[in-house]
Amino acid sequence: DAGITQSPRHKVTETGTPVTLRCHQTENHRYMYWYRQDPGHGLRLIHYSYGVKDTDKGEVSDGYSVSRSKTEDFLLTLESATSSQTSVYFCATGTDYNEQFFGPGTRLTVL
Amino acid sequence: SQQGEEDPQALSIQEGENATMNCSYKTSINNLQWYRQNSGRGLVHLILIRSNEREKHSGRLRVTLDTSKKSSSLLITASRAADTASYFCATDAEGGSEKLVFGKGTKLTVNP
Repeated sequence: DAGITQSPRHKVTETGTPVTLRCHQTENHRYMYWYRQDPGHGLRLIHYSYGVKDTDKGEVSDGYSVSRSKTEDFLLTLESATSSQTSVYFCATGTDYNEQFFGPGTRLTVL
Repeated sequence: SQQGEEDPQALSIQEGENATMNCSYKTSINNLQWYRQNSGRGLVHLILIRSNEREKHSGRLRVTLDTSKKSSSLLITASRAADTASYFCATDAEGGSEKLVFGKGTKLTVNP
């Protein structure tokens, strides 16, 4: 998994609570991404980062925020979790050649 | 929005046979990539082909790209049970950005 870890790996939470997922990389890659994967939708980009403190929205960013204070860490926050945010979340890093390396995923269930 | 679309959605073959998956996309690209995802795991990069390349090989993998038809194919030769996985194509988002857009994948099952 190219030195990418995600925590937690599994989380069950209740509607309305805030949730933060963490991605940590040891590859010193400039780009980092958060995706969600849902049946029938494939992989969709939530937010991405092109450097420390530099982030931008992806295709499905509503209800999510991100922060990147260090090269190694990229946090995804669900400000007030909803059942529609039940999903598997993947972090990825990217090289300048646009090749991406994925973490193992976090399975989030919002009750 | 989906840029790449894989075909077929599912494919079941016997060990030793070849598996071919196709990907079609809509807009001009700089490169196209293929990824594999084993059940319950993250995606793994397999191969990248640039828009000025027509064919690329990596081990048992052969990728072709036809920019005039906006399509690519991934051929896995002499398949093994361990090749059972979902395979995704990904293209750079329009404008050649650092973002990728993934298709919905082809689920390949290789029966021993």
